[in-house]
Amino acid sequence: AQSVTQPDIHITVSEGASLELRCNYSYGATPYLFWYVQSPGQGLQLLLKYFSGDTLVQGIKGFEAEFKRSQSSFNLRKPSVHWSDAAEYFCAVERNNFNKFYFGSGTKLNVKP
Amino acid sequence: EAQVTQNPRYLITVTGKKLTVTCSQNMNHEYMSWYRQDPGLGLRQIYYSMNVEVTDKGDVPEGYKVSRKEKRNFPLILESPSPNQTSLYFCAVRDRNTGELFFGEGSRLTVL
Repeated sequence: AQSVTQPDIHITVSEGASLELRCNYSYGATPYLFWYVQSPGQGLQLLLKYFSGDTLVQGIKGFEAEFKRSQSSFNLRKPSVHWSDAAEYFCAVERNNFNKFYFGSGTKLNVKP
Repeated sequence: EAQVTQNPRYLITVTGKKLTVTCSQNMNHEYMSWYRQDPGLGLRQIYYSMNVEVTDKGDVPEGYKVSRKEKRNFPLILESPSPNQTSLYFCAVRDRNTGELFFGEGSRLTVL
């Protein structure tokens, strides 16, 4: 069965520090990969996506993610975290053109002043 | 501006009392879907629809029904709600050109 693993439930970083959120998926072929962010009381907003091509993708708000096929990973990174980045982050995969989406359990990010 | 509108945003109901959560979009996209979000489980897909009169099950369809009689609307129906359907529900619309899902603001449902 398709699964998406986000091993870190909570992460706390200091403002200005770098950030990496981990995501691993289990699927034989490369799916479409996404990172979404959810602010408290809000819906989800797309940060970035990977379909094919360059394995390092840039997104909004200064985020980037790197697809590593050998590790079945799609980790999210940001060089310098801002207090406004405090939110919950979800990794998601879609089996190519199957229109079924699978989300990880989420990582809550706290940012210390 | 892209909008996905869900109603109601909050609802407390009792076991067995039928309810409908509505979802409408202003983007003219074919693909719409429903998810439930539970702590520690992330979002799980309930149903999705590729177009009018075309619907299919997601990962957790039991206890839910959907209909897609017109392109802009995709209601989620709980015929006989049970307490295990207490959850936060999201409707999402997919832009087929970019692959992006646009989410509504969520509907928090409590079944007593």
